[in-house]
Amino acid sequence: GAVVSQHPSWVICKSGTSVKIECRSLDFQATTMFWYRQFPKQSLMLMATSNEGSKATYEQGVEKDKFLINHASLTLSTLTVTSAHPEDSSFYICSAREGGDTYEQYFGPGTRLTVT
Amino acid sequence: GQNIDQPTEMTATEGAIVQINCTYQTSGFNGLFWYQQHAGEAPTFLSYNVLDGLEEKGRFSSFLSRSKGYSYLLLKELQMKDSASYLCASMDSNYQLIWGAGTKLIIKP
Repeated sequence: GAVVSQHPSWVICKSGTSVKIECRSLDFQATTMFWYRQFPKQSLMLMATSNEGSKATYEQGVEKDKFLINHASLTLSTLTVTSAHPEDSSFYICSAREGGDTYEQYFGPGTRLTVT
Repeated sequence: GQNIDQPTEMTATEGAIVQINCTYQTSGFNGLFWYQQHAGEAPTFLSYNVLDGLEEKGRFSSFLSRSKGYSYLLLKELQMKDSASYLCASMDSNYQLIWGAGTKLIIKP
């Protein structure tokens, strides 16, 4: 159980375009979803936390107008990278937490974004 | 401030035992997580400790000392597939995970 999917698994886009990444919890309801970014050989960097039905909370230094997060249902959150630039190229990973007394985060397989 | 420290890299031999240490300082504490991450893949959950002591799960064990702000992950009977990065993460008072930079474990035959 506790499977999280991400789509797409990899994407190449041109500078200036927008890319949407989907994160779904397949067999549980995720009250909270997290979006991370990871550059090569570096640790996970939390970008934002989103709770279903409310606005996402962004970490310091993360532009909320550039990285749009929508957590429309208990099983789906989306991250849209707007006006992408080459420096946005990274590994984007979502995780989901069921809530209640459980604190474990279940990770999606990640999306590798390359902006040319 | 919040800080997680773990070694950058460790090397061990197939079949041996290795211990990966982690020290943490976070605003509040709601438990310590260990995740395994293979290159190019997302992290997978290994263990969660919130009480002092050792939790054993097959070849992997995790230890926590809250008074010392210290945890370790113990891997026994190492296999080549255990070559990966091991991430230590402390959950703070807001139930946010504060991540360490990860320890790259290299297993040699």
